[in-house]
Amino acid sequence: QSVLTQPPSVSAAPGQKVTISCSGSSSNIGNNYVSWYQQFPGTAPKLLIYDNNKRPSGIPDRFSGSKSGTAATLGITGLQTGDEADYYCGTWDTSLSANVFGTGTKVTVL
Amino acid sequence: EVQLVESGGGLVKPGGSLRLSCAASGFTFSTYSMTWVRQAPGKGLEWVSSINSVSTYIYYTDSVKGRFTISRDNAENSLFLQMDSLRAEDTAVYYCARVEGQYDGSGIDYWGQGTLVTVS
Repeated sequence: QSVLTQPPSVSAAPGQKVTISCSGSSSNIGNNYVSWYQQFPGTAPKLLIYDNNKRPSGIPDRFSGSKSGTAATLGITGLQTGDEADYYCGTWDTSLSANVFGTGTKVTVL
Repeated sequence: EVQLVESGGGLVKPGGSLRLSCAASGFTFSTYSMTWVRQAPGKGLEWVSSINSVSTYIYYTDSVKGRFTISRDNAENSLFLQMDSLRAEDTAVYYCARVEGQYDGSGIDYWGQGTLVTVS
């Protein structure tokens, strides 16, 4: 089981905002950078956010990341039907000497 | 254009072995850390192993330690995962991916299309 906990699902209407939480501990989120990934069914994940809040080239500013203590948050504003996907947080766990991913969150656009 | 193309997946019996390969192109392979991530059918992402650019730092998730070996050939722009003593729970799509930064936990910025490994 993952050391990073995410809500199984979140939903909102088109145009609205959703936030996805990622809860960890001092050995992972608390002392390491967090990344966020988007995955559509049957396809490879895509990097959305790295280093807590940086967006790779081509990722719209509707996607944002933040971190406070041992928790991180992904925000999606102006929700679109094309945002329906699974989202995962990821970081390094210093105690495990391992990369860890969150449990994943399915975003549904109502 | 960065491309990562995995090969070597397939059906294998429990206790068997497989060697996954990943051909990289479109970037200077020898300067990036690389990683393998897997996803069991209907499940979430699971990190498997990482290797730094010069193969001096190698990490594995606990469940594969002693059974899997990651390696790379910078001259051939290739990443490998030797998988021995395979178990049913190793069944998954295996992704080869590039690590964007130089520190542990850097984001994974490019992913291959994945190769399916079925242990049955």
